[in-house]
Amino acid sequence: EAGVVQSPRYKIIEKKQPVAFWCNPISGHNTLYWYLQNLGQGPELLIRYENEEAVDDSQLPKDRFSAERLKGVDSTLKIQPAELGDSAVYLCASSLGVQGNYEQYFGPGTRLTVT
Amino acid sequence: KQEVTQIPAALSVPEGENLVLNCSFTDSAIYNLQWFRQDPGKGLTSLLLIQSSQREQTSGRLNASLDKSSGRSTLYIAASQPGDSATYLCAVNSNSGYALNFGKGTSLLVTP
Repeated sequence: EAGVVQSPRYKIIEKKQPVAFWCNPISGHNTLYWYLQNLGQGPELLIRYENEEAVDDSQLPKDRFSAERLKGVDSTLKIQPAELGDSAVYLCASSLGVQGNYEQYFGPGTRLTVT
Repeated sequence: KQEVTQIPAALSVPEGENLVLNCSFTDSAIYNLQWFRQDPGKGLTSLLLIQSSQREQTSGRLNASLDKSSGRSTLYIAASQPGDSATYLCAVNSNSGYALNFGKGTSLLVTP
């Protein structure tokens, strides 16, 4: 069974430029998460989807970040414009459901460097 | 808000030693707790998941325990190997939300 797929794995951009990350969850997983991981820290949730609905986006900086999950399968996270402080690893995860007993599976992440 | 703390932040042991990593959390109303491994530049690999009703889980040389009432979990690694070198993250799935709350991790180095 294929795991969570993310692309690109690495991205280097100049500040003020736009950038997009793509995630394909494990087949059949209705719940999709985007996490942000800064160096030396644990991941923090940006947004959670149930099928195509964003049910928790309270930590997403909506002035520059946006996300979508069309058709309830793969998802795209966008930053426009990027700032130096956005340099981090962006992790996508998926699970069968959310009612507490479902394990979350993580992709390899996209490492973003903003110069 | 759920706060998760991991101690120690870093640990270096010689190969063959048994070791314990500690995780504490402030809100005992949880669904489950997961232990992850993260290799440098890589994503997270799930090691063990303990449901709130369980006391421990075992997988190979790994054993994780959960004391929900005291807000503590431990990850026990038996007979450590150099390949165990990585960062180990503890994450709690709280009743108040469905995202995982992570600690900062314990960086483990097992020397030959």
